[in-house]
Amino acid sequence: DQQVKQNSPSLSVQEGRISILNCDYTNSMFDYFLWYKKYPAEGPTFLISISSIKDKNEDGRFTVFLNKSAKHLSLHIVPSQPGDSAVYFCAASALAGTGANNLFFGTGTRLTVIP
Amino acid sequence: DTGVSQDPRHKITKRGQNVTFRCDPISEHNRLYWYRQTLGQGPEFLTYFQNEAQLEKSRLLSDRFSAERPKGSFSTLEIQRTEQGDSAMYLCTLGVANEQFFGPGTRLTVL
Repeated sequence: DQQVKQNSPSLSVQEGRISILNCDYTNSMFDYFLWYKKYPAEGPTFLISISSIKDKNEDGRFTVFLNKSAKHLSLHIVPSQPGDSAVYFCAASALAGTGANNLFFGTGTRLTVIP
Repeated sequence: DTGVSQDPRHKITKRGQNVTFRCDPISEHNRLYWYRQTLGQGPEFLTYFQNEAQLEKSRLLSDRFSAERPKGSFSTLEIQRTEQGDSAMYLCTLGVANEQFFGPGTRLTVL
């Protein structure tokens, strides 16, 4: 049962344009969301996060938007650079619970930024 | 410092052999997690330690898997009687505030 879904396996964008990566979730208990970037043969690298009490968080070229009613979040990268080419994972956790607060991941979107 | 090293980075073994992986946080962190990632999937939670206590285990962690964190610092993950389905990247993470920071992973190939 995939509780976090990334329905686009791949995305290609021209350098300098905006990249928009999408993520949907099904579990209404999720209250914290994260984006990770992964290069081959490396562990995922944390990019940006957002709490469910916010609808937007920005860090440099990266902005995450959260639409709780739609159970949808997106990562915007602008302007896109060739070095952004990687696999991007969306993750969610339920911090309000008393458990491990482990992360649930989507299956990833491979972003290719074309010079 | 949220750095974590994992050893070995790559392991090739024959079916039926036992393997052990190690995760070493660079500095003290209370929360340590193990995840497994197979091809085309995102990481999946295996187990969680708060200091030396293993507080949660996923149903993915069969009886052949065991994890320890004896002094609340480094952690080991052992797989006994490996099967081809165990081939995956095994990732260790440290919990810091609301985020988790990943190590480089150990890629296991079971022949």
